[in-house]
Amino acid sequence: QVQLAQSGAEVKKPGASVKVSCKASGYTFTSYTMHWVRQAPGQSLEWMGWVNGGNGNLKYSQKFKGRVTIIRDTSATTVYMELSSLKYEDTAVYYCVREGHWLLDLWGQGTLVTVS
Amino acid sequence: QSALTQPRSVSGSPGQSVTISCTGTSSDVGAYNYVAWYQQHPGKAPKLMISDVSKRPSGVPDRFSGSKSGNTASLTISGLQAEDEADYYCCSYAGDYTWVFGGGTKLTVL
Repeated sequence: QVQLAQSGAEVKKPGASVKVSCKASGYTFTSYTMHWVRQAPGQSLEWMGWVNGGNGNLKYSQKFKGRVTIIRDTSATTVYMELSSLKYEDTAVYYCVREGHWLLDLWGQGTLVTVS
Repeated sequence: QSALTQPRSVSGSPGQSVTISCTGTSSDVGAYNYVAWYQQHPGKAPKLMISDVSKRPSGVPDRFSGSKSGNTASLTISGLQAEDEADYYCCSYAGDYTWVFGGGTKLTVL
């Protein structure tokens, strides 16, 4: 079935980097764009950026530019999000989300990243 | 860009209707018909309830409806049920290939 499966929870020290993976299955990977959205504890959703599954084009939120890197591996139908120079306030659940025609329609299960 | 503005909380009794607003600007909500609404239960990933302002994906009850006027989008839930108690988020395309979310609204079914 159509799904996004994310990697497991991570605990990192301040200043470190974290890399979260998102494996897509059940649909044509290169026909969609993959976004990353995060949610700090008790807070709202925050859009971080995206990678086009076909041509690899990228767009990052100004807030995370310089700290976030999103890459795709078409052979593995997997997208990765790396966040560097982690701060305590980066503690959040990170979601990958498929986008088709301006709609974020399919969400991964989320990956908890704890900076402590 | 700034987050879209939603009421922090709304409530209603079973069977009643509630409406959640989502106010943006002429650069996001007002500019595009790409507003979506998501339902999120505690500890779960968001679930798409409304797309393109007012379209209901397959499997979403017709009790859920969406609309937009100017820079404000709205989600209406009629015939409230206990399982509708959740957090609701709006999301809009904001131009230049960016997206923005609302601050979220906690719906309590009394």
